Parts: sequence; structure tokens; C-alpha cells
Amino acid sequence: EDQVTQSPEALRLQEGESSSLNCSYTVSGLRGLFWYRQDPGKGPEFLFTLYSAGEEKEKERLKATLTKKESFLHITAPKPEDSATYLCAVNTNAGKSTFGDGTTLTVKP
Amino acid sequence: EAGVAQSPRYKIIEKRQSVAFWCNPISGHATLYWYQQILGQGPKLLIQFQNNGVVDDSQLPKDRFSAERLKGVDSTLKIQPAKLEDSAVYLCASSHPRDRENTGELFFGEGSRLTVL
Repeated sequence: EDQVTQSPEALRLQEGESSSLNCSYTVSGLRGLFWYRQDPGKGPEFLFTLYSAGEEKEKERLKATLTKKESFLHITAPKPEDSATYLCAVNTNAGKSTFGDGTTLTVKP
Repeated sequence: EAGVAQSPRYKIIEKRQSVAFWCNPISGHATLYWYQQILGQGPKLLIQFQNNGVVDDSQLPKDRFSAERLKGVDSTLKIQPAKLEDSAVYLCASSHPRDRENTGELFFGEGSRLTVL
């Protein structure tokens, strides 16, 4: 059974304090790993797709990396507007997407 | 490009009553998904359609949940009868297949929040 585990469950940072979120996965046949951002009362919004170990993607203060067992979402010098829940999802060769339970990030000014 | 539309945004019902949610995906997206998101958890797939055929409904509680996608466009998710544990946000998403121009990511609607009393 495909499994996705995200840690920590919650993360509180001061503005400008860099950190990383972790997504570890166990799947049979990874087709892609996705990161989404979810604001309260909204649906998840796509951030990145990673396909193979060693791949990296960047967008503003966010950088996602992928190994054979886990992915990291690095947040550099975060701002309060980066506060949200970050969800990781794996898509398998069977075309199935499984989500983790997310990390809720709070950035204090 | 218009996003995924869902309605209603909020619904409060008593247990054993029925409820229906509607979703209109992004134009041209062949794949449509219904997810259940319980507070504090990630989205859990209920059913996946490819055009108007079911690809995966292995986690749909078929004794009370049903879904259809007529003409391969709009979709409706129904719960009858509802239980207390069905209180959640029901998210609809659509996607293009992964190809040179698309990564296969999901585009979500804003969700329908159900409270069962």
C-alpha cells in the first residue's frame, strides 16, 4: 500500500528563519511527487512536480528536492504570507495519487 | 481559464438525511476526482473518473456514497444516508494527462464543507 508521511505536523517560524519540511514515501512505481499549498477554506494549489531522484525545483522562497525515499520543501527567509498547510502527494504508475496529512506552517512577523 | 467550480460551498444536514454535491471541471480535463478531506488530514481519494468511466472507486463507501459523471463533464457526488463521520470538506479536482506540456497536477475547486449533526 502506498504511504506518504509528512513531518513535522506543525512548524512555527519567525519571519526570515529558514527551515525544511519533510515528505517520506513508500510507493510501488513512483510516477511523480507533487507539492501543494492549501490556505484555510480553499482547495490545494499546485506548487511543484518532481519526477526523479536528484531533481530540484524552485519558486520564489521555496525549493523542492527529491531522493528515492523522501522529498524536502526548503523555505528560505519566509514571510507571513507563506503561512499555509503544505501537502505532499505521490502519483504512481497505476495513475493513483496519495496525499500526506500536511505540515501547517505559521510564520510570525 | 475558469477554474474548477463546486457547489454548494457549505451544507448542514442531520444524520440519515441525504446530500448532493456538484462539480464542473476545467474545460478539456478528461480526469475528474472526488476527495474527502477531514479536518487536520490530507485529501483522501473517493473516486476517479476518466471521461465518464470510473477508474478507481476502491475507497468509496458504496453503501452510502454514489457518484456519476454524465457526458464526461459535470459530476455529482451523493451521500445517502449521511453519518456523523461524513462531516468533512469534499474536494473536486480535474487534470490533464501528463505530457510534454502538462505535469499531471491536480486543479482543485474550493470544496464543499459538509456538517452532519
